[in-house]
Amino acid sequence: ILNVEQSPQSLHVQEGDSTNFTCSFPSSNFYALHWYRWETAKSPEALFVMTLNGDEKKKGRISATLNTKEGYSYLYIKGSQPEDSATYLCARPDTGTASKLTFGTGTRLQVTL
Amino acid sequence: NAGVTQTPKFRVLKTGQSMTLLCAQDMNHEYMYWYRQDPGMGLRLIHYSVGEGTTAKGEVPDGYNVSRLKKQNFLLGLESAAPSQTSVYFCASSYSRDYSNQPQHFGDGTRLSIL
Repeated sequence: ILNVEQSPQSLHVQEGDSTNFTCSFPSSNFYALHWYRWETAKSPEALFVMTLNGDEKKKGRISATLNTKEGYSYLYIKGSQPEDSATYLCARPDTGTASKLTFGTGTRLQVTL
Repeated sequence: NAGVTQTPKFRVLKTGQSMTLLCAQDMNHEYMYWYRQDPGMGLRLIHYSVGEGTTAKGEVPDGYNVSRLKKQNFLLGLESAAPSQTSVYFCASSYSRDYSNQPQHFGDGTRLSIL
């Protein structure tokens, strides 16, 4: 079982603030790193799937970077809005069967006016 | 486009009762998964399937059984429900091509309480 860790556990920012959080994972036998956004009372939705060291992906105000050699990924949100409030999950495929994901426990972001 | 549909959305059971949760996807995905989500634990994989007629154990399979008789459906069964199985259950599916690179698509979850 992989150990995927996310920090911080929760984060409270004001509208307009930029923020970032971390996903740490074992760097050996790396296949991919997934990021999901999970709003309360909804289902998780995929943000990014990253595969290459140095990869950087962007969707609107949200971006992510990947360092496979040291085993971490950062998720950045620029100019946070209340609608960004959600739990952000990262996950890594299992080394034995690449389709199985091990999820971190998530970073819960609250954006207030 | 319905995506991944889970039924029921809510259920309350008594200890020892049995039930089946249904997951249906209309995206022609090969892979399907059942997770449970508990406070502070994140999403944990119960069972998964890489194709019709095949199933495999995940991280927390005890007390659950699954079946994948049709490609579009993945059933999760509790033979004798226990209070420890009180949780929110999520089904997901994904394409098989370049499997590690494919995002998973989730249903809306089933909230199950065992009294």
